Amino acid sequence: KQEVTQIPAALSVPEGENLVLNCSFTDSAIYNLQWFRQDPGKGLTSLLLIQSSQREQTSGRLNASLDKSSGRSTLYIAASQPGDSATYLCAVTGYGGSQGNLIFGKGTKLSVKP
Amino acid sequence: DARVTQTPRDKVTEMGQEVTMRCQPILGHNTVFWYRQTMMQGLELLAYFRNRAPLDDSGMPKDRFSAEMPDATLATLKIQPSEPRDSAVYFCASGLSLGTTYYSYNEQFFGPGTRLTVL
Repeated sequence: KQEVTQIPAALSVPEGENLVLNCSFTDSAIYNLQWFRQDPGKGLTSLLLIQSSQREQTSGRLNASLDKSSGRSTLYIAASQPGDSATYLCAVTGYGGSQGNLIFGKGTKLSVKP
Repeated sequence: DARVTQTPRDKVTEMGQEVTMRCQPILGHNTVFWYRQTMMQGLELLAYFRNRAPLDDSGMPKDRFSAEMPDATLATLKIQPSEPRDSAVYFCASGLSLGTTYYSYNEQFFGPGTRLTVL
């Protein structure tokens, strides 16, 4: 059974720092991996989608990498800003069983201090 | 701008009452997912549909939960009777699947959620 783990559960950094959020998954047979952002009381916003054949995706100050063989993904945020404060979730889409649905980690709650 | 909509946004009800949550997927999307989020369990899949047909509802308590897609523009999740342990935020997501196998599933777009409180 696929399990997704995110470390750390919470992170607090001063504004301007570059930071890395980690995600690991137990079954490397994935179709894709998505990173989401969730603001308090709100829904999920998709940030980046990496297909299993890709190594990384970039959008603005965000860069996500995928190492399928080791079951790891990282989300790199450059020059962090207070507006980046939110919970970041990673999720994988698996092959077997419930094909197509996302399996989520518990998230990393990020706080960027001015 | 295209987005998934969910109603109601908040629902407070008493134990034993029926609750119906509605979702309008993005026009043109053919997959719809229902997830539940709690502090303890995080986000969990309840059910999902492809081209209106239910593909997997193994995450749903069958005795009290039911999910349907009466048409391509509406998905519903019903709880009858509701219990306090059902209190959670329920999210609907939609996406576009172009093929018939797992590698055709693509990015999912989430609605704002329905916050359910069962007293």
